Amino acid sequence: EVQLVESGGGLVQPGGSLTLSCAASGFTFSSYEMHWVRQAPGKGLLWVSRVSDDGSTTHYADSVRGRFTVSRDNAKSTVFLQMNSLRAEDTAVYFCARPREAGNAELNYWGQGTLVTVSS
Amino acid sequence: DIQMTQSPSTLSASAGDRVTITCRASQSVSRWLAWYQQKPGRSPKLLIYKASSLGSGVPSRFSGSGSGTEFTLTISSLQPDDFATFYCQQYNTYSYTFGQGTKLEIK
Repeated sequence: EVQLVESGGGLVQPGGSLTLSCAASGFTFSSYEMHWVRQAPGKGLLWVSRVSDDGSTTHYADSVRGRFTVSRDNAKSTVFLQMNSLRAEDTAVYFCARPREAGNAELNYWGQGTLVTVSS
Repeated sequence: DIQMTQSPSTLSASAGDRVTITCRASQSVSRWLAWYQQKPGRSPKLLIYKASSLGSGVPSRFSGSGSGTEFTLTISSLQPDDFATFYCQQYNTYSYTFGQGTKLEIK
């Protein structure tokens, strides 16, 4: 069974940093690109970042580019999202997600999300 | 970046109704379009991928169509479990934009 479990969320002050983790199990992690998607309270979904299966290629939404860094450790089946220079508008539940099939990008498996609150 | 616009933003309907949600892209995304359903406090669920392919375990009352810049999600006969928020998402480019969502409410 595919499982994605996010962790690392919490309360952080504006300008601060936080690193989220997503531990994967139940599939060959190194075969799949991975994504981060966020959802501000009461708002819609916003795609945040993508990392390729081998970690060599990354992509970001304009709103986080230059502040967030996605990476992965295939030996530990974990994907990370390092978030720097956090702003109030980054407050959201952050989901990690896996595509339906290797080489595709429709997101079929999602974690339960981890809440990041940016506030003083 | 490609912008995705859904309509309507809110839709009121009754069980048994046929409903259609539209998603328009600011430029062509070919058929690289997915639909998701999300219930409050839950993670999104993939309903449709590649514009018209049904996700695993998704009931056949859900269907998708379209290509290029205009897409639709149709629910042929609403069931009580279907009331939720629906999102389209393009994955033609590395911006993976979501629509703003359509909340399907019970009339």
